[in-house]
Amino acid sequence: GAVVSQHPSWVICKSGTSVKIECRSLDFQATTMFWYRQFPKQSLMLMATSNEGSKATYEQGVEKDKFLINHASLTLSTLTVTSAHPEDSSFYICSADSNTEAFFGQGTRLTVV
Amino acid sequence: DAKTTQPPSMDCAEGRAANLPCNHSTISGNEYVYWYRQIHSQGPQYIIHGLKNNETNEMASLIITEDRKSSTLILPHATLRDTAVYYCIVRVAVYSNYQLIWGAGTKLIIKP
Repeated sequence: GAVVSQHPSWVICKSGTSVKIECRSLDFQATTMFWYRQFPKQSLMLMATSNEGSKATYEQGVEKDKFLINHASLTLSTLTVTSAHPEDSSFYICSADSNTEAFFGQGTRLTVV
Repeated sequence: DAKTTQPPSMDCAEGRAANLPCNHSTISGNEYVYWYRQIHSQGPQYIIHGLKNNETNEMASLIITEDRKSSTLILPHATLRDTAVYYCIVRVAVYSNYQLIWGAGTKLIIKP
């Protein structure tokens, strides 16, 4: 199947700093990518839908100024967690959509200390 | 809100068939049922999907009831590496995109 690469796989940062997570579709062009957050022992929660060349659509309760999403090309979307706080510590996962299937990155474990 | 309900956990003996049920009684006619699994601290892995007909691939079989209100994922010969959380998901159209509506999943434990 297609490959979606997410980087970094884990990151530790200090409170107040910003962290950028990259999501790349390696062998297909993804017009649409999705960003999820997952807390321990919980299911995936959709944060936003990212469409190439346009502004992301955020789910209710997700702060767009805190979670900046850029989808400048058909193979790359980035999520920047700005002014991170300990409560932002979570597992962040991206996915890229083909016509029939969503392919997921391996996830990024963010720990804010 | 999730459109699927699954048992929170199940056990299965290694080498036996694992049958994972899912209810999706509010599914609409053009919405697909997808199954993914997630091994601890990894991204979800696609297993199979279907609309009305039963489906089979190298990983699993998907049995969908005629009224489409429920389905069963079958792993024919479970191995220890099949221990994971299995998510039954409905894929819905949202404007010009599709979204996967995630439920709580079933934690499947394969026992030796």
